[in-house]
Amino acid sequence: SAVISQKPSRDICQRGTSLTIQCQVDSQVTMMFWYRQQPGQSLTLIATANQGSEATYESGFVIDKFPISRPNLTFSTLTVSNMSPEDSSIYLCSGLENTDTQYFGPGTRLTVL
Amino acid sequence: AQKITQTQPGMFVQEKEAVTLDCTYDTSDPSYGLFWYKQPSSGEMIFLIYQGSYDQQNATEGRYSLNFQKARKSANLVISASQLGDSAMYFCAMREGGFNKFYFGSGTKLNVKP
Repeated sequence: SAVISQKPSRDICQRGTSLTIQCQVDSQVTMMFWYRQQPGQSLTLIATANQGSEATYESGFVIDKFPISRPNLTFSTLTVSNMSPEDSSIYLCSGLENTDTQYFGPGTRLTVL
Repeated sequence: AQKITQTQPGMFVQEKEAVTLDCTYDTSDPSYGLFWYKQPSSGEMIFLIYQGSYDQQNATEGRYSLNFQKARKSANLVISASQLGDSAMYFCAMREGGFNKFYFGSGTKLNVKP
């Protein structure tokens, strides 16, 4: 199974600033995804990170707020821009193997003051 | 309609007993996959078990088994011989056909009592 790492594991940020989260997979995956999980809630898909092209965003999420890069098959970044306290969440990166199973990184706990 | 429904927000089970976590799904696609994930308080999502819609047998992985009832569109997770470390949130998820999107349920919080 794919092993996925994320950096940072947690951060506390001031409103109005931006944070970039990195996601590294130890093997090639067919797809990479970014999710947000607000306290006590289920996972919400932000976008699918496409290699070498613009990410595909879900309804309610826009590129200006959550720019995503995926320069190769095993690495992706998510930036949370112009943060507000409402952006405080766990952000999870995942990879889809060709076995159709999705594996997750350990998550990034973001607190915005 | 909700794609994945988990009707038990919270469950308690005595250590060493078995517990069933409910999951129903809604799809008209004949090809789909069903997944269960465990999320401890640390926040990571741990893949537990997978069931394909065409699989004839119920999936099993160690102490985890998936009670797949296709006609009822249910995919309940059974944890045998519960351990204190099983205390966590459990999410049921579905992927339809050739689509890349996963639908997640609202989760069930399991507490294992000593």
